[in-house]
Amino acid sequence: KAGVTQTPRYLIKTRGQQVTLSCSPISGHRSVSWYQQTPGQGLQFLFEYFSETQRNKGNFPGRFSGRQFSNSRSEMNVSTLELGDSALYLCASRRDLGATNEKLFFGSGTQLSVL
Amino acid sequence: DQQVKQNSPSLSVQEGRISILNCDYTNSMFDYFLWYKKYPAEGPTFLISISSIKDKNEDGRFTVFLNKSAKHLSLHIVPSQPGDSAVYFCAADRGSNYKLTFGKGTLLTVNP
Repeated sequence: KAGVTQTPRYLIKTRGQQVTLSCSPISGHRSVSWYQQTPGQGLQFLFEYFSETQRNKGNFPGRFSGRQFSNSRSEMNVSTLELGDSALYLCASRRDLGATNEKLFFGSGTQLSVL
Repeated sequence: DQQVKQNSPSLSVQEGRISILNCDYTNSMFDYFLWYKKYPAEGPTFLISISSIKDKNEDGRFTVFLNKSAKHLSLHIVPSQPGDSAVYFCAADRGSNYKLTFGKGTLLTVNP
């Protein structure tokens, strides 16, 4: 069974640009969450989607947005990039909202560098 | 406001010895705690968890202890092995599988 797949693996952008990251969950998983990992802040929750609806949201500005498609694949978009957005963005999936966090499976992440 | 704190950025131990990783939290609403392990270039993987109704949970070489009054939990690895070298994240959850709140992680190095 394939794991959580994130593309691209690496991205380099400049300030002011926008970026879209993609995540394909494990087959059969309908919940997708996004986390940002930085050395200074650790892992921080961005948002969670289930059945194409945002269910939970973290404390990030509106520049960070996401969506989920009917096949459960998810995209995350960051507009007007800032230097501080440089981070590893991790996607995680679980079967449904009732699945515990022990059953949360992470992808390898997309490393975004903003120059 | 860091609600989950791992105050030791790194820890180095000898193979065969005990590794103790610590985690403190400030939010008394947290009622479920998890440890994740992360190797470079990979996503975190679940290691062990504990509910706030317990004070200890054991799984093989890994034991997590919870002290609710002190808002402190620790992960014990006995005996430590070189393959345990990774970043360990402590995470907290509050009911109904709400969003996870992570600490900043502790890099464990187990020397042969």
